[in-house]
Amino acid sequence: GAVVSQHPSRVICKSGTSVKIECRSLDFQATTMFWYRQFPKQSLMLMATSNEGSKATYEQGVEKDKFLINHASLTLSTLTVTSAHPEDSSFYICSARVTATNEKLFFGSGTQLSVL
Amino acid sequence: GDSVTQMEGPVTLSEEAFLTINCTYTATGYPSLFWYVQYPGEGLQLLLKATKADDKGSNKGFEATYRKETTSFHLEKGSVQVSDSAVYFCALSDGGYNKLIFGAGTRLAVHP
Repeated sequence: GAVVSQHPSRVICKSGTSVKIECRSLDFQATTMFWYRQFPKQSLMLMATSNEGSKATYEQGVEKDKFLINHASLTLSTLTVTSAHPEDSSFYICSARVTATNEKLFFGSGTQLSVL
Repeated sequence: GDSVTQMEGPVTLSEEAFLTINCTYTATGYPSLFWYVQYPGEGLQLLLKATKADDKGSNKGFEATYRKETTSFHLEKGSVQVSDSAVYFCALSDGGYNKLIFGAGTRLAVHP
């Protein structure tokens, strides 16, 4: 089946620094990618939807200036957490949709971010 | 708004035991319901789904029935294996796969 590679799987950073998380579709072109966040013992929450070549659409309550999403190619989307704070510590997962007509989603394995 | 509640884990079972992971939902419309599974080090994978009331989704020995009257979609398996150890997520969508709303996930550990 289709594979989505997400890196890094775990990152620890200092407060105030920026962290970039990559999400790549390895064997298909993803017109749309989604970014989720999960705090401990809470639900996986959709943060934003990105379409290749256009600006991401953010869910209510998600700061677009803090969570920068770039989807410059059909196989790569990046999420940059800018000026990270300890409250940004969370589990981040990406998913990719193959085409506009194929609604199947394929997920990355997630990134555990810890901000000290 | 729409939401999904699933039982807290971890659930620890011996091999060949019966598994039930409870999932209930709140939705204003008539959502589709899903179970996803995440094996260690891998991404979430769709396990099964049901798109309307009384539908039963099944895959790899797992089953779940869409119960509108109880707003539930409990996951069951008659005899679990060590290889079933994973995190299971219940989810709903009333707009295809785009707007998936997930539960918190339930970790299952199966011991030999």
